[in-house]
Amino acid sequence: AQTVTQSQPEMSVQEAETVTLSCTYDTSENNYYLFWYKQPPSRQMILVIRQEAYKQQNATENRFSVNFQKAAKSFSLKISDSQLGDTAMYFCAFINSNSGYALNFGKGTSLLVTP
Amino acid sequence: NAGVTQTPKFQVLKTGQSMTLQCAQDMNHEYMSWYRQDPGMGLRLIHYSVGAGITDQGEVPNGYNVSRSTTEDFPLRLLSAAPSQTSVYFCASSNRAPGAFFGQGTRLTVV
Repeated sequence: AQTVTQSQPEMSVQEAETVTLSCTYDTSENNYYLFWYKQPPSRQMILVIRQEAYKQQNATENRFSVNFQKAAKSFSLKISDSQLGDTAMYFCAFINSNSGYALNFGKGTSLLVTP
Repeated sequence: NAGVTQTPKFQVLKTGQSMTLQCAQDMNHEYMSWYRQDPGMGLRLIHYSVGAGITDQGEVPNGYNVSRSTTEDFPLRLLSAAPSQTSVYFCASSNRAPGAFFGQGTRLTVV
C-alpha cells in the first residue's frame, strides 16, 4: 500500500520568515511523482509544486521549494518570505499509477501566517 | 478554458434521497477521479476512471456509483444518501503525471 504521512497537523510562522512542512511517503515504485497542494479557505485545491522522482534536483517555484530525499522517502516543503496569503491547509500527495494516476493525500498541515 | 467544472457547489439532502454530482472537464484529459474531504482526514479517493467506459473503485467507494460515457463527463451518484456521506466532494482530471486539476468542490450535507 502507498501511504503519505504529514506529521505536523498545525504550524505557525511570522510574516517574512521561513517555514518547512514535513512529508514522508511509502512506495515500492521507482518512478513516481510527488506534489504539494494548497487549500485556502475558499477550499480550492491549488497545485504549489511537483517533483519527479527520477530528477535529483529539488523543484523550486518562486518562494516555494522542496527537499526531496528519495532514499529516506521524504518530501518537505519550504516556504520562504512567508506572506499572509500563504495561510492555508497544505497537502502532500503522491501519484498512484495503479489507480488511474489518482492521488494519495496526507492528512494535511494547517499553516497560519501571522503579522 | 473552464478547466474542471463541478455542480452544484452546495447541496442539502435528506437521508435516503438520491442525487448526482456533476463533473465536466474541457482539457481532453484521460484520467478523472472523485475524492471526499472530511475534517482531519485529507482527501480520500472514491472512484476513478482511466478513460471513457472504464471506471474502478478507490479507497472509499461504498454508497457511490460512477460512469464515464464520454471523455468530458464523470458524474458521481449517491443512490441513498446517509449522514455519513456529509462531506466536501472534489472532482479532478489529469493526463498522467503533471498533476491533477481540481474542480471547486461540492459541500454536501445529509440530514
